[in-house]
Amino acid sequence: GQNIDQPTEMTATEGAIVQINCTYQTSGFNGLFWYQQHAGEAPTFLSYNVLDGLEEKGRFSSFLSRSKGYSYLLLKELQMKDSASYLCAVRDSNYQLIWGAGTKLIIKP
Amino acid sequence: ETGVTQTPRHLVMGMTNKKSLKCEQHLGHNAMYWYKQSAKKPLELMFVYNFKEQTENNSVPSRFSPECPNSSHLFLHLHTLQPEDSALYLCASSPHGAGEVGEQYFGPGTRLTVT
Repeated sequence: GQNIDQPTEMTATEGAIVQINCTYQTSGFNGLFWYQQHAGEAPTFLSYNVLDGLEEKGRFSSFLSRSKGYSYLLLKELQMKDSASYLCAVRDSNYQLIWGAGTKLIIKP
Repeated sequence: ETGVTQTPRHLVMGMTNKKSLKCEQHLGHNAMYWYKQSAKKPLELMFVYNFKEQTENNSVPSRFSPECPNSSHLFLHLHTLQPEDSALYLCASSPHGAGEVGEQYFGPGTRLTVT
């Protein structure tokens, strides 16, 4: 079967750095996405990786290793507004998105 | 108005009611999706439309019936629902074509409660 694993919840301190991991087993691979979802709101697109390596976008970076079936989202200089759920999703060989259950990130002052 | 809009934002319905959820996208995308989001569970893809044609139906019960009259509008018709159908229903759209990343843009969702 297809599976995406990510931690259920993480806590970090304002101003610090946090890394949210995602591992996947899917039928084929056509890209990995990270989305942010604030409570009561819609998910919003953060990043996309299709080749191995690091993609940087301001305070957020996303890393991919296809051979290991592994990705992480790195958030730097954490702000209170970064408190949200972070969803990892992989596009499989049928171009369907397989979603993880999300990681709830709690930022403390 | 821009982006993806959904109405209503909240809906309470009895198990014998019939209601419809509406989604509209103003992004010029040609793929639209219905998802179900339950607490602490992954997003569940329900239906996919590409260029108004349904391309995926992930074993969704027949009490959910989609309709896509054009590439900007998507409906989800509901009838004789069960309490376990209570969830957040999200609509999304994405560009579809060679060279596109295909990231999805989501509407705010309809919070559905079945009593």
